[in-house]
Amino acid sequence: QKEVEQDPGPLSVPEGAIVSLNCTYSNSAFQYFMWYRQYSRKGPELLMYTYSSGNKEDGRFTAQVDKSSKYISLFIRDSQPSDSATYLCAMSADSNTGKLIFGQGTTLQVKP
Amino acid sequence: KAGVTQTPRYLIKTRGQQVTLSCSPISGHRSVSWYQQTPGQGLQFLFEYFSETQRNKGNFPGRFSGRQFSNSRSEMNVSTLELGDSALYLCASKEGNSIPGGYTFGSGTRLTVV
Repeated sequence: QKEVEQDPGPLSVPEGAIVSLNCTYSNSAFQYFMWYRQYSRKGPELLMYTYSSGNKEDGRFTAQVDKSSKYISLFIRDSQPSDSATYLCAMSADSNTGKLIFGQGTTLQVKP
Repeated sequence: KAGVTQTPRYLIKTRGQQVTLSCSPISGHRSVSWYQQTPGQGLQFLFEYFSETQRNKGNFPGRFSGRQFSNSRSEMNVSTLELGDSALYLCASKEGNSIPGGYTFGSGTRLTVV
């Protein structure tokens, strides 16, 4: 079993929909949680970063972490065709490490 | 400022050969990490360098190695290539004390082993 599980999709939604992306994990030592977006033929770019449990909002994006359930989510409001990409969750137990554990990534398509 | 630059962008090699990939981090970034991305396994951590020292290593065979130079540029080497080494190799850099997710990724080197 992988340390981080993420449904690869694909997920297809109409423009304007609310999108919910999720990851579960097994390592209770994870404290740092990230969401990356990766467009085709590009490297991942950081969207959201959360430390420990709680919510964080940035524009149309909201990240939630529930450490008790070992479950993290990313919500995208008013989704746009430009949001079509692969979304990757990533986690780390150590603040000073370059070793991130990534989920498989969920491919999202937002149709106009 | 310039992003993370990886060269070459595409590479085709034959089984048994060796390959060297290069990464130029963002100016001022001293931490460089390497990842392998495949459709089956996703992104897997290879190794991390900070100030020319390997700080962390993933679960890859010894055929995978890397190094970092005094100007923070990094290289990774794969010897005795296997078909399963075909992947997108991503390099990422960050400032030393930024958040764990503060890495900026390059666009990667697409390696195909035939």
